[in-house]
Amino acid sequence: SQQGEEDPQALSIQEGENATMNCSYKTSINNLQWYRQNSGRGLVHLILIRSNEREKHSGRLRVTLDTSKKSSSLLITASRAADTASYFCATDYQGAQKLVFGQGTRLTINP
Amino acid sequence: SAVISQKPSRDICQRGTSLTIQCQVDSQVTMMFWYRQQPGQSLTLIATANQGSEATYESGFVIDKFPISRPNLTFSTLTVSNMSPEDSSIYLCSVISQGYEQYFGPGTRLTVT
Repeated sequence: SQQGEEDPQALSIQEGENATMNCSYKTSINNLQWYRQNSGRGLVHLILIRSNEREKHSGRLRVTLDTSKKSSSLLITASRAADTASYFCATDYQGAQKLVFGQGTRLTINP
Repeated sequence: SAVISQKPSRDICQRGTSLTIQCQVDSQVTMMFWYRQQPGQSLTLIATANQGSEATYESGFVIDKFPISRPNLTFSTLTVSNMSPEDSSIYLCSVISQGYEQYFGPGTRLTVT
């Protein structure tokens, strides 16, 4: 399979804590994207990080990329109940613009 | 970012019938993609739809089962033909921005009984 792996598969934390999710992939990439999905609805685009970037921030989100290890992480700081969702990483496959998705991390924020 | 709409948002269909899903984008785009998300699973690409040419299907997906139309640069349809319960999924279309971000529609939740 060309899919990446995400861990953990599920993560449950208290509101206000930080949440870290990891993504590994198998082939070389041009960029990696992170998405959020609430309750089986559409995907919300969070961040795109390019292969020549090592870290990117957007609000409470921080994404890192290590191309030597073929891995990425998504950090959500000061979590909120509204952050409860599934989070997916996706990579472009062999330089094409189609995406290959990881299996996702189910994040639950407990009040 | 692009604004993408899909119709219908959900449907319940009987096996053996077909459903056509529409995807509308608020700007002209060269490439549109159709993905499937089976219950509890991640997303899998069905096909890439370019305007003016035949869609390109991924391994495991065939045109007879998932015919796609792309009549112009803002619209595409995906038909799920001769449906079976295994086709119950969320179907999503997506487009790519100039910055290579890929944006998704809200999805069509299909249940086949």
